[in-house]
Amino acid sequence: NAGVTQTPKFQVLKTGQSMTLQCAQDMNHNSMYWYRQDPGMGLRLIYYSASEGTTDKGEVPNGYNVSRLNKREFSLRLESAAPSQTSVYFCASTYTGTGYGEQYFGPGTRLTVT
Amino acid sequence: KNEVEQSPQNLTAQEGEFITINCSYSVGISALHWLQQHPGGGIVSLFMLSSGKKKHGRLIATINIQEKHSSLHITASHPRDSAVYICAVAGAGSYQLTFGKGTKLSVIP
Repeated sequence: NAGVTQTPKFQVLKTGQSMTLQCAQDMNHNSMYWYRQDPGMGLRLIYYSASEGTTDKGEVPNGYNVSRLNKREFSLRLESAAPSQTSVYFCASTYTGTGYGEQYFGPGTRLTVT
Repeated sequence: KNEVEQSPQNLTAQEGEFITINCSYSVGISALHWLQQHPGGGIVSLFMLSSGKKKHGRLIATINIQEKHSSLHITASHPRDSAVYICAVAGAGSYQLTFGKGTKLSVIP
């Protein structure tokens, strides 16, 4: 049981390049989330998927797109990376909404945009 | 939007000390989460609670809904408890968490 996995672990991009961060969970969870973590700030929600087939914006969605590929996988895409998107990105999942179950986090992706 | 404040921001303790980390929020919630993040980055859920008190090993979490306040206690602290502890709150029926900025704990042998 791997829990929540993310790829890649590290990535360096040049401004304007695109990339997709991958996330998968094997706990049969319905809800999945993408967060970013920046120094001096709390974790912030980028997008979430309450259930397979649905996605919704979080607090900081600009510059990102997501796809809930199936119940297991939730990807985050940066179409044209900017230095402001340098951050650590975490994927997480819960069985249902955040008020009803613990969140399980992936190991994170450290992204640098130059 | 809920505002989540944690105190202290930084805490240094001697091994064996009893530690308290506090979390206050501004708007009523359905649940509060305590998370632990070790150096190197991994985030682990410690507790989710909506009332009362929960205990797991040396960790105890309490919440007072009326006062909009929660505390995380660590008894007999150990250097392996050194980490950032993060409080997060969920609104009723919400899929979004609002996070505090974290409390960095260092336990010295």
